[in-house]
Amino acid sequence: EPEVTQTPSHQVTQMGQEVILRCVPISNHLYFYWYRQILGQKVEFLVSFYNNEISEKSEIFDDQFSVERPDGSNFTLKIRSTKLEDSAMYFCASSEFGVHTEAFFGQGTRLTVV
Amino acid sequence: GNSVTQMEGPVTLSEEAFLTINCTYTATGYPSLFWYVQYPGEGLQLLLKATKADDKGSNKGFEATYRKETTSFHLEKGSVQVSDSAVYFCALSDPETGRRALTFGSGTRLQVQP
Repeated sequence: EPEVTQTPSHQVTQMGQEVILRCVPISNHLYFYWYRQILGQKVEFLVSFYNNEISEKSEIFDDQFSVERPDGSNFTLKIRSTKLEDSAMYFCASSEFGVHTEAFFGQGTRLTVV
Repeated sequence: GNSVTQMEGPVTLSEEAFLTINCTYTATGYPSLFWYVQYPGEGLQLLLKATKADDKGSNKGFEATYRKETTSFHLEKGSVQVSDSAVYFCALSDPETGRRALTFGSGTRLQVQP
């Protein structure tokens, strides 16, 4: 069964450093998303991406964040100048084209900023 | 804006007990509704969905009915198993208003005891 894969599963970084989280969405999906879940809190939407551009973003997704689809398979989230409060589980998701299609999630990358 | 409210957890049940997890929503459009499940150490998996009023989503013995009049999407299972222990998230998307991103509830932890 096709699945969304994320790497790495766990990333530890120093405060102020840049990190890139990587995702391979399901191959025939056209919408891509990043969500995050701070420990013990709800899952929060960050950004969605369609047709090589951002289609939606939340107020969390400020200039510190950027997304890219560098080739036909990868989808990345870059976090510049990481802060302690960026520590969270980051989930990538993808969905097919269509109005009521569901999103399929990856296993997540746990980011720890020290 | 859109929002989802779930009952507080944890919910602790004995095996074979009946489960209800309440979920209500607020949306500007005509949303699609979802239940996702997160098993320990894993990502989010779609459990079931419903896309219009009176639709019933079902999977693995779980059911939820889209009730527009009460803006609810309560999750039920007639007989829970220890393997159902997980965190359950109610979520909505509002694609007809251009908002495909998921808005999640805070999650409800279910613990099933043998």
